[in-house]
Formats: sequence, C-alpha cells, structure tokens
Amino acid sequence: AQKVTQAQTEISVVEKEDVTLDCVYETRDTTYYLFWYKQPPSGELVFLIRRNSFDEQNEISGRYSWNFQKSTSSFNFTITASQVVDSAVYFCALSVFILTGGGNKLTFGTGTQLKVEL
Amino acid sequence: SAVISQKPSRDICQRGTSLTIQCQVDSQVTMMFWYRQQPGQSLTLIATANQGSEATYESGFVIDKFPISRPNLTFSTLTVSNMSPEDSSIYLCSVEVGGVTEAFFGQGTRLTVV
Repeated sequence: AQKVTQAQTEISVVEKEDVTLDCVYETRDTTYYLFWYKQPPSGELVFLIRRNSFDEQNEISGRYSWNFQKSTSSFNFTITASQVVDSAVYFCALSVFILTGGGNKLTFGTGTQLKVEL
Repeated sequence: SAVISQKPSRDICQRGTSLTIQCQVDSQVTMMFWYRQQPGQSLTLIATANQGSEATYESGFVIDKFPISRPNLTFSTLTVSNMSPEDSSIYLCSVEVGGVTEAFFGQGTRLTVV
C-alpha cells in the first residue's frame, strides 16, 4: 500500500520569506510518480510538478523548487520569496500503476495549509 | 493537457435524496477517476471508471452508494445516493491523458447535505 505523509498541517510566513513544505512517501513499487498540487480557497486542484522515480534531478522553476531524495523517500517543495497569492493548501501525491485495469492511482497526503501574510 | 468541466459546481441537497455529478472532458481519455474531499481533509479515491466496463471501487466505497456511469470516452457521472450530512464534501473528477501520468482535475463539486 502507498502512503504519503505531510507532517506540517499549517505554516504561516510573512511575505518574502522562503518556505519549504515537507513530503515523505512510502511505496514498494519501483516505478512511481510524485506530484505537488495547490488548492486555493476556490477549491480547484492546480498541478505544480510531477517527478518520476528515476529522475532525482532537482529543479527550479521561477520561485518554486523541488528536492527529491529517494534515499530518504522525500519530495520537498520550496517557495522562494513567498507572496500572499501563494496562500493555499498544498498536497503531495504519489502515483503507482494499477495492475488491474491499468491507469495510475493517486494517493494524497493530508495537505499543508500555507498562509502568507503581509 | 485536458480541460474538464464538472456540473454542478455546488449544490445544497436534502438528506435522503440523490445527486448526479457530471464530468465532461474535451478529449477522449481511457481512465477517469472520482475523488472525495471531506471538509478540511485530503482527497480520497472513490473509484476508477473505464469506458465499457464496471467501475472499480476503493475500499470503503460501494456501488449502491456511489453508482458511476461511463458511457463514452469523454463523459462520466457519479451519483451520491441517499445522502446524509456526512456526504458533504467536494467531489472531483480527474483524468489521465495519453498515458501521461499526470492527473488533470475538474474544478470540483461542493456538496452540502442538510
């Protein structure tokens, strides 16, 4: 069974601070994908990034960066110079292939509420 | 990518009634997924729907309570039957496109049962 743990339930920062959201996952599958999604107050789920289990290259995209470490089963997400508009719930998710029927099943963490204040 | 439209976007329903949520995709997709997000909680997969076959339900979810239809490759419905206040949640539809392991989500349906 798959499991995703986001130990931080809520983080509050002041605008322009950097913030890192933690994610630890568990799976016995050797091939899997990791995701970060953002859910603003409006409720829709916004895709941020996907990484597969064979790609440990970390990436920076604008103010966002990701740190994927298979050795510690972690997939952390950092926002640099946070802004008020970054306030949302952030979900880490793990996807593995479904043997029966195909497709990839997502398992979500419990989410981290990020509040960025002026 | 895929554009997913969910209807209704929100509804307030009386207990004991049923609500059918529609999910329309702008391209043909093999796999469609239905998730539930209870207030303040994470997303939980309800079922996976393939066109032309019965939906596959996750543990804790049954077809009598959450019947799903998948009549073609661009459309699916989820019905929440005999609703109780505990069914108050956001229900989200998602799809995979072209085998790319990236789930696209609809905007969700906010259901309140009174």
